[in-house]
Amino acid sequence: SQTIHQWPATLVQPVGSPLSLECTVEGTSNPNLYWYRQAAGRGLQLLFYSVGIGQISSEVPQNLSASRPQDRQFILSSKKLLLSDSGFYLCALSTGNYQPQHFGDGTRLSIL
Amino acid sequence: QKEVEQNSGPLSVPEGAIASLNCTYSDRGSQSFFWYRQYSGKSPELIMFIYSNGDKEDGRFTAQLNKASQYVSLLIRDSQPSDSATYLCAPQSGSARQLTFGSGTQLTVLP
Repeated sequence: SQTIHQWPATLVQPVGSPLSLECTVEGTSNPNLYWYRQAAGRGLQLLFYSVGIGQISSEVPQNLSASRPQDRQFILSSKKLLLSDSGFYLCALSTGNYQPQHFGDGTRLSIL
Repeated sequence: QKEVEQNSGPLSVPEGAIASLNCTYSDRGSQSFFWYRQYSGKSPELIMFIYSNGDKEDGRFTAQLNKASQYVSLLIRDSQPSDSATYLCAPQSGSARQLTFGSGTQLTVLP
C-alpha cells in the first residue's frame, strides 16, 4: 500500500529564515505529487504539483518553490519566510488519471 | 478561476439523523468529484468519489452528482458523533488531475 512520509510534524521558524519540507512516498512508482497549504479555518490551496522527476507546476505565485529530485521525493522550499506562510502544509499523491489523492499527515508551520 | 462553494456551516444534526452536505463548482471540465473528511488538526481522508451523474452509495454515505447543474452532494445516514468533522468537496480537473477544494462544511452530530 502507498505511504506518504512528511516531516517534521510541527515547525516554528522566525520571519526571514529559510524553509525545507520534505515529502517521500513508498509503495508506488511515478506518482503525481502535490503540495497544499491550509491556512487556519480555511480550505486547501494547491501550491505545486509534479507529474515526474524535475517537472514542477506552480499554481500560486509566491516566495515558495518546489523540487522533485527523485521519483518519490517532493521538496517544498523558501529562501525567506513571511508571516503569511504560516499554515498546515500537506503533501498528497495520486497514482493516475481519475484516481483520488491521498494525503500525508502534514507539517504545521508557525512563523514568528 | 475555478471556484467551489459549499453550504456554510456549522451544521448540527442529532445522532441518527441524515446530514446533507452540498457543493457547487464552476469548472465544467471537472470529471471526478471527491469528498474528504478532516478532523480538527488532522489531514483530510477520502470518504467517497463519484464520476457519473446520479447516486453512488457506500455504507452510510451517498454521493450525488448532477453535472448539468454543476452540483454534488454528500448524504450521511444514521449520523454518529464520530462523523463530527469538516467535510471538503473537491472537483478534479486539469492535466495533472488537480483538485480544487471548497472551504468545507463543519458538521457536528449531537449525541
